[in-house]
Amino acid sequence: DSGVTQTPKHLITATGQRVTLRCSPRSGDLSVYWYQQSLDQGLQFLIQYYNGEERAKGNILERFSAQQFPDLHSELNLSSLELGDSALYFCASSVAEGHFPETQYFGPGTRLLVL
Amino acid sequence: AQTVTQSQPEMSVQEAETVTLSCTYDTSESDYYLFWYKQPPSRQMILVIRQEAYKQQNATENRFSVNFQKAAKSFSLKISDSQLGDAAMYFCAYRSASGNNDMRFGAGTRLTVKP
Repeated sequence: DSGVTQTPKHLITATGQRVTLRCSPRSGDLSVYWYQQSLDQGLQFLIQYYNGEERAKGNILERFSAQQFPDLHSELNLSSLELGDSALYFCASSVAEGHFPETQYFGPGTRLLVL
Repeated sequence: AQTVTQSQPEMSVQEAETVTLSCTYDTSESDYYLFWYKQPPSRQMILVIRQEAYKQQNATENRFSVNFQKAAKSFSLKISDSQLGDAAMYFCAYRSASGNNDMRFGAGTRLTVKP
């Protein structure tokens, strides 16, 4: 158990819909990262937040957005869902901003299926 | 852009034997971090071992060790005394020590352990 929690574990929805994925980092971790793992694209970094502020952006679509709240939990919002958005979405957390030799601890993931 | 290549989609090893998983990466940076993550059927990402590029000594964690060849941009993982619980997907990952904080992952190697 990494200490990172994600809800829900599974999500089934229809095209065009909007969903919210939630992540709680390990106690004391200030950075939260979101990743998407799909069969065709592999594991890809989406976005990072540090202490409530966006720090880095990867291959995140404009239909997707994220935020980190004062209690440090984070939410990833996916809108206008398409079939290709079906994937495993991971959240990871680390202690600091990411410029140090630190490790990212991954949550169990949320499996999203868009029908 | 940094890329990570795992040339072995699948590997198998006999229980109690040793196996080496290969990873190469491409970067123009001199300071970075390398990781091996394990993803068992539960789909959670588990950190196995990490290496800082400025350290010449190869990292070791119990039965897991790496062979880090900076000039060759190679970062292989050796698993000694393989156990049935080692069966999983193994991902090699690269992260810059400066600038963007995203982690770049290889496509993964599926390891099967035969009893």
